[in-house]
Amino acid sequence: DTGVSQNPRHKITKRGQNVTFRCDPISEHNRLYWYRQTLGQGPEFLTYFQNEAQLEKSRLLSDRFSAERPKGSFSTLEIQRTEQGDSAMYLCASSPTPRGLMNTEAFFGQGTRLTVV
Amino acid sequence: TQLLEQSPQFLSIQEGENLTVYCNSSSVFSSLQWYRQEPGEGPVLLVTVVTGGEVKKLKRLTFQFGDARKDSSLHITAAQPGDTGLYLCAGARYGGATNKLIFGTGTLLAVQP
Repeated sequence: DTGVSQNPRHKITKRGQNVTFRCDPISEHNRLYWYRQTLGQGPEFLTYFQNEAQLEKSRLLSDRFSAERPKGSFSTLEIQRTEQGDSAMYLCASSPTPRGLMNTEAFFGQGTRLTVV
Repeated sequence: TQLLEQSPQFLSIQEGENLTVYCNSSSVFSSLQWYRQEPGEGPVLLVTVVTGGEVKKLKRLTFQFGDARKDSSLHITAAQPGDTGLYLCAGARYGGATNKLIFGTGTLLAVQP
């Protein structure tokens, strides 16, 4: 399978604990995105990497959230001191570098469902 | 704030019926994508439209990008239970450095057999 892979698929954690999610993008894609989706809503942008550089972070990404992509391949998203409001589906997507002004398509993983109890 | 509004929010129809989902914005997008998402899964790309007025067909699905590139529609002919899911439109901006997508509010479609 050469699609975007996310682990774990589901995570239940107690409030106050730290959690870390992993995303393995499509191998030739140098752009990687994290989104968050709550029930009944569309995904909301969290952060973006081009290769190993984190180039944009949403205001949704509080200080408790940190994302890395150390070698420009897989990425991790860590949430510290989780709160019940962090419960959501966390989606990772990847895309190749656009040619000129043409935007390119993003391909999503299956997501990690986080439940904070 | 959602920049892309979808309507209707929910739609329950019988197998064989036709339907149209709308995606509207006051902003211009350089391209617009439609995704279908099933419960517990990530969005799966259906189509990308780029040119104003563009129409693309994917079997029973017809996608149109508005002339001004601010809106789009998805029309499904003779819906089947397998079409059930959350339909999401997502726009990307011209020359955006990040190429990030701005998603619509979603339309939840249920096709009853």
